[in-house]
Order: sequence, then C-alpha cells, then structure tokens
Amino acid sequence: DTAVSQTPKYLVTQMGNDKSIKCEQNLGHDTMYWYKQDSKKFLKIMFSYNNKELIINETVPNRFSPKSPDKAHLNLHINSLELGDSAVYFCASSPTGGFQPQHFGDGTRLSIL
Amino acid sequence: GQQVMQIPQYQHVQEGEDFTTYCNSSTTLSNIQWYKQRPGGHPVFLIQLVKSGEVKKQKRLTFQFGEAKKNSSLHITATQTTDVGTYFCAAGGGADGLTFGKGTHLIIQP
Repeated sequence: DTAVSQTPKYLVTQMGNDKSIKCEQNLGHDTMYWYKQDSKKFLKIMFSYNNKELIINETVPNRFSPKSPDKAHLNLHINSLELGDSAVYFCASSPTGGFQPQHFGDGTRLSIL
Repeated sequence: GQQVMQIPQYQHVQEGEDFTTYCNSSTTLSNIQWYKQRPGGHPVFLIQLVKSGEVKKQKRLTFQFGEAKKNSSLHITATQTTDVGTYFCAAGGGADGLTFGKGTHLIIQP
C-alpha cells in the first residue's frame, strides 16, 4: 500500500564504490524527483523526471545519474562515492500540471566510510 | 530560481504555547507549500497557498500568504507533543521541483 517506496532504507559503503537506490510509486503520477537532505536537514532538489524529460539541478555532480525504466520508477545511480555524498536521499512524485503536492518516500540513509 | 528564507531555525516551546514559523522571499512567489517532517521521517505535505493574502486553517494550524506573495507563515495554536518535527516551506514544484526553506525545528517541552 506504500505510495512511494525506496530501497534500501540504509546503505553503508566505502568511498569509491558505485551504488544504486531504487524508487517506485503506485500513485499513477507522471513526475518523479530526487532530493538530498544533508546533516542540517536542508532539502535540495537533485532531479525531476517527466515523460522522459530530465531536468537536472546544475549543482549535482555528474557522478549522479537517474534512470527511469518506466513512469512508475526513478532509480538513482551514484558512481565513485565520496564522503560528502553521505546524506538522506528522498524520492518523491507528483501529478503533472501546475504546482502539485509532492509525495515523498521514506528516504535512504547513505553513509560513506 | 526562487529562494526562500525561513526563520527561526529552532523553536523551543512549552506544551500548550503557540508556535509560528516564517518564510520570506525577495521575489514574488507563484505558490507556497508547507511540509512537516517528523524525526526520522519524511516530509509530508500539509497545504498549498497560491492567492495573495490567502489564509487557510487546519484545526490548530493557520497558514497565511502575504499580500505581496513574498512571505508566508504557519502558526500553531496550543502546541501538543504530536506537533514535534521540522516544518518546511517550499516554493515552486512542477518540472523544476520544490525549493525548500531550511526548516524550523519545533521542540516541545512537556
């Protein structure tokens, strides 16, 4: 019944590794997002994806790449992980059209050793 | 893009006291959304304001959008322990995603 689900919930890995976080929504929404929340709880948009159109926040390193196999899924792949990547990553979705409420997943807490 | 400043960063109140968080922008905003994040949880949508001077209420919560659409506030009357969490304002949405304020952490002392 979970509307936006992310896996894994926790991810602990070493610097330099490559990892992926999966996100699925069953709300029938057309737009999906990835946000990063740092240790001070600041939330920042990383990507939005709608009908195969990807909008990237210019501050996101190109080590981060979203992949969408279909409109219900938006996965996040991260190459060459760095210490500064430690954060909580939230997936979200919303209907298309105007400014709509966003529904967030439970988050993935990424810790880099 | 739009930027929103939110104050205070932390607010300690006694249970039963009122609480207010403020959100300001140097530019006119198309909309303001408010979210609540419980400790260890994820942001949950509370409300959206789009009209100049708009006021909306949800039980003990009152949301306002300024006449110039450059500021907004969330006021909670008679706080309860269930109100604990971080309250975020956010502008925009759609294809560009939301621009969040830094949040106000509400701490309630019984």
